[in-house]
Amino acid sequence: QQPVQSPQAVILREGEDAVINCSSSKALYSVHWYRQKHGEAPVFLMILLKGGEQKGHEKISASFNEKKQQSSLYLTASQLSYSGTYFCGTGRLYSGAGSYQLTFGKGTKLSVIP
Amino acid sequence: NAGVTQTPKFQVLKTGQSMTLQCAQDMNHNSMYWYRQDPGMGLRLIYYSASEGTTDKGEVPNGYNVSRLNKREFSLRLESAAPSQTSVYFCASSEWWTGGVSYGYTFGSGTRLTVV
Repeated sequence: QQPVQSPQAVILREGEDAVINCSSSKALYSVHWYRQKHGEAPVFLMILLKGGEQKGHEKISASFNEKKQQSSLYLTASQLSYSGTYFCGTGRLYSGAGSYQLTFGKGTKLSVIP
Repeated sequence: NAGVTQTPKFQVLKTGQSMTLQCAQDMNHNSMYWYRQDPGMGLRLIYYSASEGTTDKGEVPNGYNVSRLNKREFSLRLESAAPSQTSVYFCASSEWWTGGVSYGYTFGSGTRLTVV
């Protein structure tokens, strides 16, 4: 089942902060966050794993509340380059090793203006 | 540059025509995926291949077939294109989840398909 993202769209001025939420009706193991600029492919931002571990490579933070089955992406002191559509992707519970498939939300369009 | 390569980038088909979308990755990933993206719908999984030699249906498999040719290549075929298949198609790859660690997807640049 597709995770629900909120808000659907947000407009910020440079330097302002934003929070994007992602919630699921199913138990989660991991939550992934991606950003897609217009006409381009989605780009991986970060992963949050059950137990709170965070793996990513950009200066954007996130949280993962396992009990509530929710994740939030925090963008602070936004820059023009943050503009794009943000997607969360949720992964199911697994044991051992193997493949996993992500189910993506419908996205949150973020516009940062000067 | 290492990554996922998709061909073609653009395609226009007439209803009933067939075509194959090609995808290749050079990161030695085990798993590969095909998603379609429609306005306001996000990314929906069509088919995936957990490893070389295996394929499975995703959320929206009707009207499509796939082939995992080898570890690098995963193709998507439309046997008889319909206007409802007008979309942007993304191929992605990832390494396996192991021991509590999962990895992000790497996406190709997409194929923009229009069926008239």
